[in-house]
Amino acid sequence: GAGVSQSPRYKVAKRGQDVALRCDPISGHVSLFWYQQALGQGPEFLTYFQNEAQLDKSGLPSDRFFAERPEGSVSTLKIQRTQQEDSAVYLCASSLVVSYNEQFFGPGTRLTVL
Amino acid sequence: DQQVKQNSPSLSVQEGRISILNCDYTNSMFDYFLWYKKYPAEGPTFLISISSIKDKNEDGRFTVFLNKSAKHLSLHIVPSQPGDSAVYFCAASVSNAGNMLTFGGGTRLMVKP
Repeated sequence: GAGVSQSPRYKVAKRGQDVALRCDPISGHVSLFWYQQALGQGPEFLTYFQNEAQLDKSGLPSDRFFAERPEGSVSTLKIQRTQQEDSAVYLCASSLVVSYNEQFFGPGTRLTVL
Repeated sequence: DQQVKQNSPSLSVQEGRISILNCDYTNSMFDYFLWYKKYPAEGPTFLISISSIKDKNEDGRFTVFLNKSAKHLSLHIVPSQPGDSAVYFCAASVSNAGNMLTFGGGTRLMVKP
């Protein structure tokens, strides 16, 4: 595709519900990143994939957060038993090669937990 | 502990004048710096970057300056245009260590016609 796409764009969940957020990176991009952006703040790193391998998940805030990229393209970020503090915009970014610093971001998924 | 800081949450500039956005960092391992621009309801869009081996990079109306000794970078936009009104984030990364970006909190730029 022309850019990184994410779905859904908006998600409202009741506290305790599980949610799954999808990211379609730019075709051929090796690296894929997930970030969390709270209101009024900059994005914060969650996790990073190189192809299908999850090389860094140090930013995931709890074991309720899980990400996968089984075939090295589409990625899913899953949040189990959502809490109000999970409310944020979740951004996905991809970059062409491992050594390439510029990342291209999707529009984000705004998650609201009631 | 914020490793990348943008101390001005907002900046207002007249059209045609220069906009200067500032960013400070604390981690001396950072060796690549980027500026992103963000409109509401959109993801950040890459604007310009600079490697730590340089002290200046220019692209049209946008110039980024890096002062490694002060751990400070700035983005200059000249001349500023109303379409430049957006939130600007600086970001930093450590090459060959995953390249994940560490972002500042953002500066909202408003360019008045």
